[in-house]
Amino acid sequence: GQQLNQSPQSMFIQEGEDVSMNCTSSSIFNTWLWYKQDPGEGPVLLIALYKAGELTSNGRLTAQFGITRKDSFLNISASIPSDVGIYFCAVAGGTSYGKLTFGQGTILTVHP
Amino acid sequence: GAVVSQHPSRVICKSGTSVKIECRSLDFQATTMFWYRQFPKQSLMLMATSNEGSKATYEQGVEKDKFLINHASLTLSTLTVTSAHPEDSSFYICSARMVQETQYFGPGTRLLVL
Repeated sequence: GQQLNQSPQSMFIQEGEDVSMNCTSSSIFNTWLWYKQDPGEGPVLLIALYKAGELTSNGRLTAQFGITRKDSFLNISASIPSDVGIYFCAVAGGTSYGKLTFGQGTILTVHP
Repeated sequence: GAVVSQHPSRVICKSGTSVKIECRSLDFQATTMFWYRQFPKQSLMLMATSNEGSKATYEQGVEKDKFLINHASLTLSTLTVTSAHPEDSSFYICSARMVQETQYFGPGTRLLVL
């Protein structure tokens, strides 16, 4: 089946540092999504990418849809304690039309 | 916009009983909703796709007679866990699909079966 490789699995950083995480796949996808999940909550959509090469920002967050349509990265600048959570990439399209395939998640811990 | 609610947020039930979880799209109509299950420190696992006015499509390994899905309107899908057992204890999350495959998630329902 379709698989996404998300890295790193976890990150421990100091407040104020920048963060970068990425996802890669062996297949081409038409939509890349980044979600954040807080403990005990559902995932919240951060950024949606629909076009290869697209670079999109949402406040301190920036994400890019790779030109090959097989990868994406998410950057968080000047991290703050409330950035703590699990970040998931997800893709749509490919052979599982209409469904999302999720990465394994990146657990982010921010030390004050 | 794109708000999805779930009810209840948490439920504790006895083994053998059935539990119904509701998923509502509050500010948009969703012809397609999805039900996921998530175990601690793991990613989301798709259980089934709920289509308004038609039968749900279940993922491989998910028992359709155990996890009953009803999508009776464009804003409501329900998941009923029938004859629940302790191994059904988990975090159940629904989502609703909007344009271009983007899904918006509900806040989740924590189920504990004793």
